[in-house]
Amino acid sequence: NAGVTQTPKFRVLKTGQSMTLLCAQDMNHEYMYWYRQDPGMGLRLIHYSVGEGTTAKGEVPDGYNVSRLKKQNFLLGLESAAPSQTSVYFCASSYWARSTDTQYFGPGTRLTVL
Amino acid sequence: EDKVVQSPLSLVVHEGDTVTLNCSYEVTNFRSLLWYKQEKKAPTFLFMLTSSGIEKKSGRLSSILDKKELFSILNITATQTGDSAIYLCAVARRDDKIIFGKGTRLHILP
Repeated sequence: NAGVTQTPKFRVLKTGQSMTLLCAQDMNHEYMYWYRQDPGMGLRLIHYSVGEGTTAKGEVPDGYNVSRLKKQNFLLGLESAAPSQTSVYFCASSYWARSTDTQYFGPGTRLTVL
Repeated sequence: EDKVVQSPLSLVVHEGDTVTLNCSYEVTNFRSLLWYKQEKKAPTFLFMLTSSGIEKKSGRLSSILDKKELFSILNITATQTGDSAIYLCAVARRDDKIIFGKGTRLHILP
């Protein structure tokens, strides 16, 4: 099992460009999340999904869109990148159950917006 | 507004010392509290706590939750250089949102 994978690993964009980050998991998890991590800020939830075809806003959703067309994939889109979106982006997934909230994280995508 | 506050923000100790990391929270619709360790890349899961007063242990690490006072502690005994990392505390809400603290950066000196 690959677990949670993210593509790309690194990307440099110019202000105004668009891009899509792909998260894939092979654990049949219902829940998937997108976070950003900035120095001294911990992890902040951007959007999340509780199942195929569903999405919901997290703490910092502005400037991002997401889609969950297939259960195993969760896409994060930036329509018009801004320097404030320079960050490390982590995807995570979890199997919803009353007994566990364990999240499995992908390796991260380092995005720089010039 | 929901918040998760960790203290200290950074800590430097010598190998063999015992450390206590703190996490306090004000979160509506609390479901569980989570601890993660983050080394160079992605966070890895340590503990999930849902009930007050029940200690969870894994080797030299242990954690406990106090739902009345709204805090949790993570203890690491006999620290080793491999324990150097950022330790993240997070709270999961019943609506599935998860709020993270800013983390405690722990550095163990040999």
